[in-house]
Amino acid sequence: GAVVSQHPSWVICKSGTSVKIECRSLDFQATTMFWYRQFPKQSLMLMATSNEGSKATYEQGVEKDKFLINHASLTLSTLTVTSAHPEDSSFYICSAWGGSSYNEQFFGPGTRLTVL
Amino acid sequence: DQQVKQNSPSLSVQEGRISILNCDYTNSMFDYFLWYKKYPAEGPTFLISISSIKDKNEDGRFTVFLNKSAKHLSLHIVPSQPGDSAVYFCAASALKFGNQFYFGTGTSLTVIP
Repeated sequence: GAVVSQHPSWVICKSGTSVKIECRSLDFQATTMFWYRQFPKQSLMLMATSNEGSKATYEQGVEKDKFLINHASLTLSTLTVTSAHPEDSSFYICSAWGGSSYNEQFFGPGTRLTVL
Repeated sequence: DQQVKQNSPSLSVQEGRISILNCDYTNSMFDYFLWYKKYPAEGPTFLISISSIKDKNEDGRFTVFLNKSAKHLSLHIVPSQPGDSAVYFCAASALKFGNQFYFGTGTSLTVIP
């Protein structure tokens, strides 16, 4: 299947700093990219949907000023956690969808964020 | 509001036996369903999918059954292998929703050698 990468795979930062997570589709152009957050022993919670060249659509309860999403190209989307706090510590996963020719989303390996 | 539910958080099965994972949904607009497998600290990997126009789809040891009237789908793994031990998520989507996925809460499958 298609390959989606995420970088970094694990990041530890101090409270108050900002962290950028990259999501790349390596062998296809992603019309849409999704960002998920997973808490321990819980489901994947969709945070936002981003389409290339347009503003992301955030799910209810997700602070768009805190979780900045940029989908600058058809192969790259970034999630920036601004002024991170310990409660932002989580596992963040992106997925990419190539449009109608693909039936499923392809997921990245995830990024574990730990905020001290 | 959880539109996709997996009521069994965990399941243990003996190697070689059948594993049956269940999933229920509430939104009748969903027209595409998928199962993902996930290991700890990794992203989900796609297993198998089914469109609402079908009631069964089979791929090797994995079969997904869809009962639209009951808004229920299940994943059968036979024979189960220790490498199948993972968390399994079902997901539902609708063309109307632009391929946005709604995930269940996951079922942790343990296959005992």
